[in-house]
Amino acid sequence: DQQVKQNSPSLSVQEGRISILNCDYTNSMFDYFLWYKKYPAEGPTFLISISSIKDKNEDGRFTVFLNKSAKHLSLHIVPSQPGDSAVYFCAGQDGNQFYFGTGTSLTVIP
Amino acid sequence: GAGVSQSPSNKVTEKGKDVELRCDPISGHTALYWYRQSLGQGLEFLIYFQGNSAPDKSGLPSDRFSAERTGGSVSTLTIQRTQQEDSAVYLCASSYRAVFGEKLFFGSGTQLSVL
Repeated sequence: DQQVKQNSPSLSVQEGRISILNCDYTNSMFDYFLWYKKYPAEGPTFLISISSIKDKNEDGRFTVFLNKSAKHLSLHIVPSQPGDSAVYFCAGQDGNQFYFGTGTSLTVIP
Repeated sequence: GAGVSQSPSNKVTEKGKDVELRCDPISGHTALYWYRQSLGQGLEFLIYFQGNSAPDKSGLPSDRFSAERTGGSVSTLTIQRTQQEDSAVYLCASSYRAVFGEKLFFGSGTQLSVL
C-alpha cells in the first residue's frame, strides 16, 4: 500500500511561470516531509523539507506547503527555470523510515 | 569520496545468476539505506542499517535478497538466483544519523537488468 502518492506523473510549465507539484499521504504519523529532485542517471538529491508542525517552508524559489487536515503537501517553484526539469519525489518520514511517492516529471519549456 | 558511491553503475545478468551490488557511503554516516526503483514505480525500501544495530530487513522482497554492512561502512546487497522482476535501479543512501528531518544522500544507483 502506497503511503505517499503523487498522482500526476508529469507536468509541463513555461519558463518563468509557477510549477506546482502535489503529493498526498495516508500516514498521519509522518514527522517530516521531504522533496527530492532526480536527474536522469543520477541519484535523487535533497531539495527542501518541512516539519509536520509547520505549514510552510521556503528556500529561495522553492516553497513547500503542508495541509495536515487534507494530508496534502505541495511544492511550488517560482519562477520555473529550464534547469528545474527533472523528476521530483516527495517523501514522508516516520521515525527511521522514509516513504517515497512515484515521482512527477517536470518539464520547463524555455 | 565526497558522495555516496555505488558500483557497478550497470549490471546485465542472466536469470538464475547471483549478483552483488556495492555501496560506499559518505564517511562518518552511520545510517545506510537500500532502495530500488522499478520502471514506473516509486522508491521501494529494501533494508536499513544504523550503526551497530541489527538491520531493518522488513523491505526485502524475498529470501533471495540479503545485505551486509562491514565495519559500519561499505554495504553489499546480494541477490541470489536473479529473476526478471528483479530488474530495477538499486539505490543506496546514507545519512549522518537517522533522526527526524535528517536528509538522505543518494548514490547514482546500479541499473540491474536480468535477461
